[in-house]
Amino acid sequence: KQEVTQIPAALSVPEGENLVLNCSFTDSAIYNLQWFRQDPGKGLTSLLLIQSSQREQTSGRLNASLDKSSGRSTLYIAASQPGDSATYLCAVPSPQGGSEKLVFGKGTKLTVNP
Amino acid sequence: GAGVSQSPSNKVTEKGKDVELRCDPISGHTALYWYRQSLGQGLEFLIYFQGNSAPDKSGLPSDRFSAERTGGSVSTLTIQRTQQEDSAVYLCASSPRTGALTQYFGPGTRLLVL
Repeated sequence: KQEVTQIPAALSVPEGENLVLNCSFTDSAIYNLQWFRQDPGKGLTSLLLIQSSQREQTSGRLNASLDKSSGRSTLYIAASQPGDSATYLCAVPSPQGGSEKLVFGKGTKLTVNP
Repeated sequence: GAGVSQSPSNKVTEKGKDVELRCDPISGHTALYWYRQSLGQGLEFLIYFQGNSAPDKSGLPSDRFSAERTGGSVSTLTIQRTQQEDSAVYLCASSPRTGALTQYFGPGTRLLVL
C-alpha cells in the first residue's frame, strides 16, 4: 500500500526566505508526482506535475524535484511571499488499480510572515 | 470556463440523518472522483467514475456511503445514518479522461455531524 509522508507538518518563515518542503513515498513504482496548493475553504490547485521520467519541474518561483529511487520529492519556493501562505500537498497515483486514484500526504501548512 | 462546483458548501446535520452532496464536473470531463479530508488526515480516495464503466468503489469506508453519476455528468454522494466520524470536507474532482495527468478539484463540501 502506497503511503505518502510530508515533512514538516507546519512551517513559518519571514517574507523573502527560500524554503523547501519534503515529500516521501513508499512505493517507487509511480507514474508521476504532483504538488498541490490548498487555501482555506477552497479546493486544491495543481502547482507542478513531475513525470516519472523527469527529475524536476519549474514554474516561476517554484521548483519541484523527484528522486524515484529514494522515494522522495522536494518543493522549493524561492523568495517566499505572504501570498504563498497555504497548505501544500503532494500526491502520487495509487499503484493499485491504475493511475486514477491519488494518494495524498497530510500536507505542510506554510505561513509566510510579512 | 467553469470549474468543478459542489453543493452545498457547508452542511450541518444531526447524527443518524441522511445527507446528499452534489458535484458538477467540468463539462466534457469523463472521469469523476470523490475524496474525503478529515481533520488531521490526508485526502482519502472514496470512489471513481469513468464514462459508462462500473465505478471503483474501493475507497468507500462503509455501506452507509454510496454515489451515483447520472448521465455521465453530475454526481451525488449519499451518506446514510450519518455518524460524527463522517464529519469532514468532501472534495470532488474531474479529469478529461482516464489516466489524465491531473485532476481538477472543486471547493468541497464541509460536513459537520452533531
